[in-house]
Amino acid sequence: SQQGEEDPQALSIQEGENATMNCSYKTSINNLQWYRQNSGRGLVHLILIRSNEREKHSGRLRVTLDTSKKSSSLLITASRAADTASYFCATDVLPSMNRDDKIIFGKGTRLHILP
Amino acid sequence: DAEITQSPRHKITETGRQVTLACHQTWNHNNMFWYRQDLGHGLRLIHYSYGVQDTNKGEVSDGYSVSRSNTEDLPLTLESAASSQTSVYFCASSLNRGLLGGEQFFGPGTRLTVL
Repeated sequence: SQQGEEDPQALSIQEGENATMNCSYKTSINNLQWYRQNSGRGLVHLILIRSNEREKHSGRLRVTLDTSKKSSSLLITASRAADTASYFCATDVLPSMNRDDKIIFGKGTRLHILP
Repeated sequence: DAEITQSPRHKITETGRQVTLACHQTWNHNNMFWYRQDLGHGLRLIHYSYGVQDTNKGEVSDGYSVSRSNTEDLPLTLESAASSQTSVYFCASSLNRGLLGGEQFFGPGTRLTVL
């Protein structure tokens, strides 16, 4: 799998249900962020979680980070039609002797909220 | 209100031509980034800058160049456009130093087609 890879690739749920998306990564990170992208638009920042944090909340959003499993999850509670979008995780890869620091975005999860 | 703008929003050009995409932000952010987004690849970092006269290569920098002569602007130049550079290009800016140290604010994107 690639650094910052989300799953599932696509998710359809009924309005009012909770949506959970996962992000896995392979190398040590400083920070992980989640972004939302509506069709044809730029990305919008949702949450930043640092490597020494385990959980963060923002409104209906809850993000967890498990550095031992190199994974993060984004939970959207009580979903709404307006939550229909693609969701991306982004990780920064710590520099090493053989590699500069870099940022990796996953390919995203397409979330569709059914009325 | 502070914002980040990109121009043009759509561009069609021919192989071999030089193309410059503009990015302007009024956040007074030191950090600016250029990404490309392609189906199946998510966002990939092209170049980034941590301040005036500072530029750094990202993951997919070949065929692209940037210059940072002031805080507000980071133009992206395709020296000799190739069909493989057909993509949607996003500019972003952030306040905190580091690739993912803080929230990135994204522009609306430029859709570039190279024929």
